[in-house]
Amino acid sequence: EVQLVESGGGLVQPGGSLRLSCAASGITFSSYWMSWVRQAPGKGLEWVANIKQDGSEKYYVDSVKGRFTISRDNAKNSLYLQMNSLRAEDTAVYYCARDSSGYEPWGQGTLVTVSS
Amino acid sequence: DIQMTQSPSTLSASVGDRVTITCRASQSISSCLAWYQQKPGKAPKLLIYDASSLESGVPSRFSGSGSGTEFTLTISSLQPDDFATYYCQQCNSYSTFGQGTKVEIK
Repeated sequence: EVQLVESGGGLVQPGGSLRLSCAASGITFSSYWMSWVRQAPGKGLEWVANIKQDGSEKYYVDSVKGRFTISRDNAKNSLYLQMNSLRAEDTAVYYCARDSSGYEPWGQGTLVTVSS
Repeated sequence: DIQMTQSPSTLSASVGDRVTITCRASQSISSCLAWYQQKPGKAPKLLIYDASSLESGVPSRFSGSGSGTEFTLTISSLQPDDFATYYCQQCNSYSTFGQGTKVEIK
């Protein structure tokens, strides 16, 4: 069964940092682009970042450029999102997803709350 | 940046109705468009990719059409399980989602 499981969310103060992880199973992880997508409470979906199979290309939405870093470890079948200088507007459920002719599958999401 | 605009934002319909949701791109995206269904508290589910290709396991009452800047998602006969929020997403230049269309019970 194909499965993505996120972890690492939680409550953090403005200006703080957090590292999200996404563990993949049941897929040939190293063969796919991977993405992070977020959803603020009661709001729509927003693509955050994606990364090529070998990590050589990375792209970000403008609002997180210079603050967030996407990375992957193909040996561990894992995707990461390092989030620095967090702001209240970064509060959201963060999903990882396989990026191939649409996003599928998705993880269950991990909640990040930025608040003092 | 490519903007995606969905209409309507909310749609009230009954079981058995034919439902159409429209998504417009601010510039041409060829056929690089996907549709998702999301239920409260759950991750989105891919329904349609490449504008008109049905994802494996998705009921055939769902269909997608369009290219360039205008796209539609059609549910041919609305079922109780279909009441949810639907999003379009362009993949031509980075990625952008529409704001969503909530399909609710009339």
